[in-house]
Amino acid sequence: DTAVSQTPKYLVTQMGNDKSIKCEQNLGHDTMYWYKQDSKKFLKIMFSYNNKELIINETVPNRFSPKSPDKAHLNLHINSLELGDSAVYFCASSQDLGSRNEKLFFGSGTQLSVL
Amino acid sequence: AQTVTQSQPEMSVQEAETVTLSCTYDTSENNYYLFWYKQPPSRQMILVIRQEAYKQQNATENRFSVNFQKAAKSFSLKISDSQLGDTAMYFCAFMKHVGNTPLVFGKGTRLSVIA
Repeated sequence: DTAVSQTPKYLVTQMGNDKSIKCEQNLGHDTMYWYKQDSKKFLKIMFSYNNKELIINETVPNRFSPKSPDKAHLNLHINSLELGDSAVYFCASSQDLGSRNEKLFFGSGTQLSVL
Repeated sequence: AQTVTQSQPEMSVQEAETVTLSCTYDTSENNYYLFWYKQPPSRQMILVIRQEAYKQQNATENRFSVNFQKAAKSFSLKISDSQLGDTAMYFCAFMKHVGNTPLVFGKGTRLSVIA
């Protein structure tokens, strides 16, 4: 029973293509996130959603568009892929942003390679 | 803005020995959470230990313990009886207690446990 699952695990594509990464959590959490891990392993927040509403949008290009159809899902769509988008993308969830039991559960990551 | 600094990019330790990973952070908040996450070669992000800033007692989880020095804004991780399976990247992370802020990560320390 995977708590936070994201697909695909690997994605290889050409520059200029549009691709999506899906994420689902079965923990009943209210908040979901997308993080980007670059080639130097640095993890940085991209977006977070609380109950389907966008609450954090870091300085991410407009080509990245998150979609949350319900609070258990947060998908990431990327238009016009560029070489610099190559990274590992992690989905995560938490019970309630700022709750006293706060901790993040992560998916296993999607390694995106743009050629 | 909060920042998290891990000053040791790489460390190594002999199996069964003890190793301490350093982490310092900068914040003007009084209430917050601190975390250590482990990322083995499988890429999965695994929560190792969590500390609430309002608790003076250092958190422990089996062989893992922290030395939390709030005044010094220091949060080091001690791994006792190191095992080969502890080989991984270790990330220190900070989260504010309230407000819509996600985890802020340090740049990580690559730990190698040597047989």
